[in-house]
Amino acid sequence: AQPVTQLDSHVSVSEGTPVLLRCNYSSSYSPSLFWYVQHPNKGLQLLLKYTSAATLVKGINGFEAEFKKSETSFHLTKPSAHMSDAAEYFCVVTKSNEGNMLTFGGGTRLMVKP
Amino acid sequence: NAGVTQTPKFQVLKTGQSMTLQCAQDMNHNSMYWYRQDPGMGLRLIYYSASEGTTDKGEVPNGYNVSRLNKREFSLRLESAAPSQTSVYFCASTPGWTDTQYFGPGTRLTVL
Repeated sequence: AQPVTQLDSHVSVSEGTPVLLRCNYSSSYSPSLFWYVQHPNKGLQLLLKYTSAATLVKGINGFEAEFKKSETSFHLTKPSAHMSDAAEYFCVVTKSNEGNMLTFGGGTRLMVKP
Repeated sequence: NAGVTQTPKFQVLKTGQSMTLQCAQDMNHNSMYWYRQDPGMGLRLIYYSASEGTTDKGEVPNGYNVSRLNKREFSLRLESAAPSQTSVYFCASTPGWTDTQYFGPGTRLTVL
């Protein structure tokens, strides 16, 4: 199984509607999980990080993600999309329980319609 | 602080040419990484340096070499560029081996 799978390569929402970007991971232990955002022609910026504290993680710009071990999921949500949220989003998992070897999902491109 | 900087921002090479991508960080981080980004594949680790003086292969090291010149700088060299190396290259750094990674703005490389 792939270490991390983003279930949608593209998601399109209207401005002001909720955002859901789906991510499933495969791991035999509790990993560290991240969501990164990449705006066009820019580097990657950390949105939020889960490291086995609270299962609901709040990030920047109104995003949050919930770690569900029973479903091996770490979906990213936002109640109301803004035009500036249009970007590519990456779900990332640590590759091993030692060190900082990251494995990236394939990415989800979020489009926001006016 | 500038964070993580990369030069150049864009580069076009012909097959067989060589070049070095430069990366520097001013955050006194111990660990540094080189990734390549290809459509639909996320980022894949090429090489990393857990600390000054050490380098190790990542997931896709073939065709690349690296040098950890000092604590600040980590360069990536393509000795004989191939079209398959057309990609966007990102450098990243972390304070220690288990911390969040901070990414540079990327270098867009095209090999003709």
